[in-house]
Amino acid sequence: NAGVTQTPKFRILKIGQSMTLQCTQDMNHNYMYWYRQDPGMGLKLIYYSVGAGITDKGEVPNGYNVSRSTTEDFPLRLELAAPSQTSVYFCASSTPLGGPGELFFGEGSRLTVL
Amino acid sequence: TQLLEQSPQFLSIQEGENLTVYCNSSSVFSSLQWYRQEPGEGPVLLVTVVTGGEVKKLKRLTFQFGDARKDSSLHITAAQPGDTGLYLCAGGRGSEKLVFGKGTKLTVNP
Repeated sequence: NAGVTQTPKFRILKIGQSMTLQCTQDMNHNYMYWYRQDPGMGLKLIYYSVGAGITDKGEVPNGYNVSRSTTEDFPLRLELAAPSQTSVYFCASSTPLGGPGELFFGEGSRLTVL
Repeated sequence: TQLLEQSPQFLSIQEGENLTVYCNSSSVFSSLQWYRQEPGEGPVLLVTVVTGGEVKKLKRLTFQFGDARKDSSLHITAAQPGDTGLYLCAGGRGSEKLVFGKGTKLTVNP
């Protein structure tokens, strides 16, 4: 029962470096999401995907890119990391059934940009 | 932009006390979800309410969806330290992406 798995759990980046946060789910969910959570700010949607090959921007997409080549995987790419991208990143998946459906979240990836 | 306002932002109470937290919006939602998030973990769904006026109970937790489907409340009876966490509400319209509130951080002291 792995659910949604994110790697790495922790990462420190220098300004200008790039990295990819990995997310995989084993529940055969069509919908996948990337959120960032800053202290006191709740969850903000970065990108989402309704199926393999389909991605769309959320509320705060600048500085990020995604791809969805398979149902299981939804990696988030950070290009030219900036201190403003210091945050906790959560990947989630769901199967909407006439509504948003239950979101299943990973444990999060804590990123610090120095 | 749909906004969900949660109040209070922070709440610290003693074990055994009752509490209510609120989630309010100027927009109508077709459904509203409540999640609880513990430190170092992702949010976990507690309940989904879809009908105006709906009340759902989950042991000591009671969730209510407002008649106009713009607001919701979560009431906890006889709070326990295990209830400590961040409570997030999230509103949705159809299969659109959810909008999350900023959360209420609850601390229940033994």
